[in-house]
Parts: sequence; structure tokens; C-alpha cells
Amino acid sequence: DVKVTQSSRYLVKRTGEKVFLECVQDMDHENMFWYRQDPGLGLRLIYFSYDVKMKEKGDIPEGYSVSREKKERFSLILESASTNQTSMYLCASSFRGRGHAFFGQGTRLTVV
Amino acid sequence: AQSVTQLDSHVSVSEGTPVLLRCNYSSSYSPSLFWYVQHPNKGLQLLLKYTSAATLVKGINGFEAEFKKSETSFHLTKPSAHMSDAAEYFCVVSETGANNLFFGTGTRLTVIP
Repeated sequence: DVKVTQSSRYLVKRTGEKVFLECVQDMDHENMFWYRQDPGLGLRLIYFSYDVKMKEKGDIPEGYSVSREKKERFSLILESASTNQTSMYLCASSFRGRGHAFFGQGTRLTVV
Repeated sequence: AQSVTQLDSHVSVSEGTPVLLRCNYSSSYSPSLFWYVQHPNKGLQLLLKYTSAATLVKGINGFEAEFKKSETSFHLTKPSAHMSDAAEYFCVVSETGANNLFFGTGTRLTVIP
């Protein structure tokens, strides 16, 4: 079975903190994604990576950055957390050109 | 440009009755279409996918969806709802061969005992 593992299920951080969300996949997928999920808005793409060290901005990249130093790991970084970044964050991975993505369990981040 | 519209934000059915979750899409190219399900506090799980083969697609847990190009629709159905079907459902479109996914805003399915 494909596994996409997010390092934390729940996180509470303070405003202004630097926050790292980690995601690891074990299927040798080229593509990895970070989405943000908010009620009534569905999933919105933050960043996408199609290869090591490659990244593309999604729909809502402001306030976020990403790092992909190894194929299996994709990190989302909140440089200075703000309360409007309180949300559920979902990581996903897929083979290049295959569409079908596999999702992690999600990280519910609360910024206070 | 690609987009997805899920026509109902909330659907409520009685256990044992049919389920219909509606989805319309917009795609400039040949689309791939997916339905994902999300149970509370869980990640998303693929229910079924259409990738230009048979237009009637069968998925897990008795769900199926029909791709209708003339109506640009990909509605999800199940003949008989079960309590365990209560969840949020997302319709998703992707350009075939592309990498990115475009999500609808989701439909919350409630099943009444």
C-alpha cells in the first residue's frame, strides 16, 4: 500500500513562530503537493513539486515556502505563522502525469 | 482552464435509499475525473476515477459514476446508503497526462438511520 505520512496530526503554534510541516512518501512518486483545506473552500493548492529541488506555486503560496531535498520528502514552511494560517494541511503524492494522488492523514494546525 | 462545481454542499439521505452527489466540470482538454471521500479527521481516499476508458466507472464500497461529456457531468451514485457512507466527498478534475488536480468545494453526505 502507498503510504504518505505527515509528521504531526495536530500542532499548536504561536503567532510569529517558524513552523515546519513534514511529509514523506514511500512509493517513489515524482510529484508531491501541499494543500490547505478550509470549510466551504475545499482544497486549495499551496505548492507543488515535480522533482527534487523543483517547485511551483499553487493558488495560495503567500506566507508559505517549501523544500524538497530528497525525492521522498516534501516540507512546508510557514516563515512567520499567523492566525489566518490556522487550517488543515494535507500532503499528497503521485506519479508524473498520472493524476491520481495519494493523501496523508492531514495536520491540523492551530496558530494562537 | 479547469474547474469543478459540486452542486450541493450538503446532502442528507435515509439509510437504504439511493445517493446522488452531483458534479459538473469545465476542462479545455481531455479530462481525468476522480471522486475522493474524506471521513472525519482523516485524509482523502480515492473512490473511483475516469481516465477516458468506459464512461460508467465503478468504485469502492458500491459507488459508481458516469462520465457524460455532453453534459460535462460526473455524478456519483450509490443504490443504497449505509451509515458508514457519511463523509465529505470531493469531485476532482485533472487534464489527462498532467500533474495538478482541481478540487470541488465538497459535498457533505449525512445518512439518517
